Amino acid sequence: DQQVKQNSPSLSVQEGRISILNCDYTNSMFDYFLWYKKYPAEGPTFLISISSIKDKNEDGRFTVFLNKSAKHLSLHIVPSQPGDSAVYFCAAVPYGGSQGNLIFGKGTKLSVKP
Amino acid sequence: NAGVTQTPKFRVLKTGQSMTLLCAQDMNHEYMYWYRQDPGMGLRLIHYSVGEGTTAKGEVPDGYNVSRLKKQNFLLGLESAAPSQTSVYFCASNLAGAEQYFGPGTRLTVT
Repeated sequence: DQQVKQNSPSLSVQEGRISILNCDYTNSMFDYFLWYKKYPAEGPTFLISISSIKDKNEDGRFTVFLNKSAKHLSLHIVPSQPGDSAVYFCAAVPYGGSQGNLIFGKGTKLSVKP
Repeated sequence: NAGVTQTPKFRVLKTGQSMTLLCAQDMNHEYMYWYRQDPGMGLRLIHYSVGEGTTAKGEVPDGYNVSRLKKQNFLLGLESAAPSQTSVYFCASNLAGAEQYFGPGTRLTVT
C-alpha cells in the first residue's frame, strides 16, 4: 500500500500564477519530508525539505507547508515560471531512519504555460 | 566536481544476460543508493550502502546484487536479466541526514 501519495498526476498553470502541488501520507512516524524536481532524461534534484517539527519552510519562490494532523503537505511555487515545468516528487523519511529510507510518491507533472 | 556519475547511460540486454552498472561520486559521501523508476511510479529503493564495505537491502532488492569496495563507487549487478528489470536506474549519494544527490540515470531495456 502506498505510504506517500500524490493524487494528481499532472497540473497545468499559467506563467506568473501560483502552482500548488499536494502530497498525502499515511504513516504518522514520518519524520522529515522532501520535494525533488525532475526534468526529462535527468536525475531528480533536491528542491526543499521540512522537518516534522515545523509547519512551513520557505526558500525563494518555493514554500512547503506541512499539516501533520491531516497528514498532508503541499509545495507552493510563486510566481510560476516556464522553467518550473518538470515532474515533482514528494518523499518522506521515517522517524529514526537514515536518508536511505526515502519513500517517494509517484510524482506530479507540472506544466507552466507562457 | 562531477557530482554523481553513472555508466552506462543506455543498455539493451537479452533475457538471461548479466551486466554491472557503475555509480561514482566525488563528494566524499558516506551513503550511496540505487533506485529504479518505472512509468507512473515513484523511485523505489533497490539497495543502499552506509559506508565502504557495507550494503543493505531496500524495498525491491530481488534480482540485484551490489558492492561498495571503494567509498566513491557503488556497483549494481544483474546476474540474469529479466524483462521485468526494464527500467531507468538512478544512483544517489549523501552525507547522513542530508538531501540525496542523484546521477543522470541509466536506461536499461531487457528483451
